[in-house]
Amino acid sequence: GDSVTQTEGLVTLTEGLPVMLNCTYQTIYSNAFLFWYVHYLNESPWLLLRSSTDNKRTEHQGFHATLHKSSSSFHLQKSSAQLSDSALYYCALSPYTNTGKLTFGDGTVLTVKP
Amino acid sequence: GALVYQYPRRTICKSGTSMRMECQAVGFQATSVAWYRQSPQKTFELIALSTVNSAIKYEQNFTQEKFPISHPNLSFSSMTVLNAYLEDRGLYLCGATGGYEQYFGPGTRLTVL
Repeated sequence: GDSVTQTEGLVTLTEGLPVMLNCTYQTIYSNAFLFWYVHYLNESPWLLLRSSTDNKRTEHQGFHATLHKSSSSFHLQKSSAQLSDSALYYCALSPYTNTGKLTFGDGTVLTVKP
Repeated sequence: GALVYQYPRRTICKSGTSMRMECQAVGFQATSVAWYRQSPQKTFELIALSTVNSAIKYEQNFTQEKFPISHPNLSFSSMTVLNAYLEDRGLYLCGATGGYEQYFGPGTRLTVL
């Protein structure tokens, strides 16, 4: 079945430094969609980024990610971390559009310190 | 905007009893509703996907007999955890799909005593 792997369960950064959270995936579907969700404690996870076409960068709220089918990756990046970026980040995969069925990675806790 | 409400937010039940949780989509028409469970120290695991007027599809390790789901219209879904035991504890998340996005509720946290 589908799987998503996120490395670095806990990432701690100093404010202003760049952010990179890794996400790789496995699926038999050639047109799978990848997502990054942000989850704050006791709140609803919300969508940060959704993949576009192969090798195309998508951006939102200062974060960006590029789907690379050749390496099955969708890493999340930001040039300068802010204190408010501290949260739990999930990478997730949908085998094709609008399935309503997501496979989640284990999540990465990002902590940004002053 | 699109919102998903879940209630109750937290619940405690005795081992062997059942517990019903609800999911309400507001501000959009949900073409499907997915129920996930996050057990302690684990990620979100899909229980079942429900599309109105279609059969509910359960993932491996989850059954209708244990997690019956009702999805009577585009905005409401409920799921019951029957005969809950310790391994059923965790955060139950509802995700409603509208357009190209899946919107999540805040979850129902189930504690089993």
